[in-house]
Amino acid sequence: KAGVTQTPRYLIKTRGQQVTLSCSPISGHRSVSWYQQTPGQGLQFLFEYFSETQRNKGNFPGRFSGRQFSNSRSEMNVSTLELGDSALYLCASSLAGFSGGAAFFGPGTRLTVL
Amino acid sequence: DQQVKQNSPSLSVQEGRISILNCDYTNSMFDYFLWYKKYPAEGPTFLISISSIKDKNEDGRFTVFLNKSAKHLSLHIVPSQPGDSAVYFCAASGATNAGKSTFGDGTTLTVKP
Repeated sequence: KAGVTQTPRYLIKTRGQQVTLSCSPISGHRSVSWYQQTPGQGLQFLFEYFSETQRNKGNFPGRFSGRQFSNSRSEMNVSTLELGDSALYLCASSLAGFSGGAAFFGPGTRLTVL
Repeated sequence: DQQVKQNSPSLSVQEGRISILNCDYTNSMFDYFLWYKKYPAEGPTFLISISSIKDKNEDGRFTVFLNKSAKHLSLHIVPSQPGDSAVYFCAASGATNAGKSTFGDGTTLTVKP
């Protein structure tokens, strides 16, 4: 079974631009979650999608948005990029969500904002 | 307010000895606790989990202990191997928020040969 894939792996943008990251979950997994990891920090939850609906949302500004398609693939968008948005963005998939079950993470997209 | 805390940023142990990684939480609504391991340039990999109704779960060299009254859990690795060197994250989730996990900041484990 193929793992979680994220594209692109690396991205360099400038302040004010917008960016879209993509995540393809493991086949059959309906839950996709997004996390931000900054240097020295743990993973900060962004949002979770389940069957094309946002089921949970973290404490991030509205510049961060996402969506999920009928094939469970998910995209995350960040508009009006700020220097502080430079981070590793991780996507995780699971059958029905985290509680009680492990999530499978992709390798992440490293975003650098100049 | 950080609900999941890993107070030791790093830990160094000798190969063959026990590694003990600790994690504290504040939210009594958490139902499940998980440990993930992360190597550089890779996403976290699930290691072991424990339900709040248990106090111990074992999987090979890895054992997780949960002390609900103290809101504390620990991961024991015995014996430690150099390949265990990685960042270990503790995570917690609740049944009311099934799709969301709260992570600690991680502990970097170095196992010396």
